[in-house]
Amino acid sequence: GQQVMQIPQYQHVQEGEDFTTYCNSSTTLSNIQWYKQRPGGHPVFLIQLVKSGEVKKQKRLTFQFGEAKKNSSLHITATQTTDVGTYFCAATGGSARQLTFGSGTQLTVLP
Amino acid sequence: EAQVTQNPRYLITVTGKKLTVTCSQNMNHEYMSWYRQDPGLGLRQIYYSMNVEVTDKGDVPEGYKVSRKEKRNFPLILESPSPNQTSLYFCASSWTSRGELFFGEGSRLTVL
Repeated sequence: GQQVMQIPQYQHVQEGEDFTTYCNSSTTLSNIQWYKQRPGGHPVFLIQLVKSGEVKKQKRLTFQFGEAKKNSSLHITATQTTDVGTYFCAATGGSARQLTFGSGTQLTVLP
Repeated sequence: EAQVTQNPRYLITVTGKKLTVTCSQNMNHEYMSWYRQDPGLGLRQIYYSMNVEVTDKGDVPEGYKVSRKEKRNFPLILESPSPNQTSLYFCASSWTSRGELFFGEGSRLTVL
């Protein structure tokens, strides 16, 4: 099946620092979604990107979809302790009708 | 309130004792799916259903069964659980297989 590689697996930052997680695929993606899972919680949908080069912002979060639609990133500016959790990308592409999830990036924010 | 409800939330069982994890959604979604989450492996799809009476295998279906007799319900059945099925399970639903997924609270299963 389709593979979506997500890096890094873990990230520790000081509160106020920026954070970025990346998802990469060897095949062209149709769309990519981002989810956040708080510790002990369930994944919650953040956003969906479908267009080449698309950039969307939600307050301190910036989501990008690569020009070739093979990669995506989530950037958090000036992290806060409320940003703690695991961030997942999920994508469909080619003949795949199902969303394939990346392995997630676990973010720890140190006060 | 729109939600996906899973039960039980926590379960400890023994090898070979059949169990069912129920999942119900109240959003009239056609698509439902089961995932298991293990450290470092992300969310892996077990089974999915595009509509009533239509189910198909995901990436890790071995040892699991599902059924979709009604639109709102999508139970996950472990006929003979084994320790390697110890995991955190999530049910999710959406309008389509590529749409925003709504997840249940999760069911943490331990098989001894």
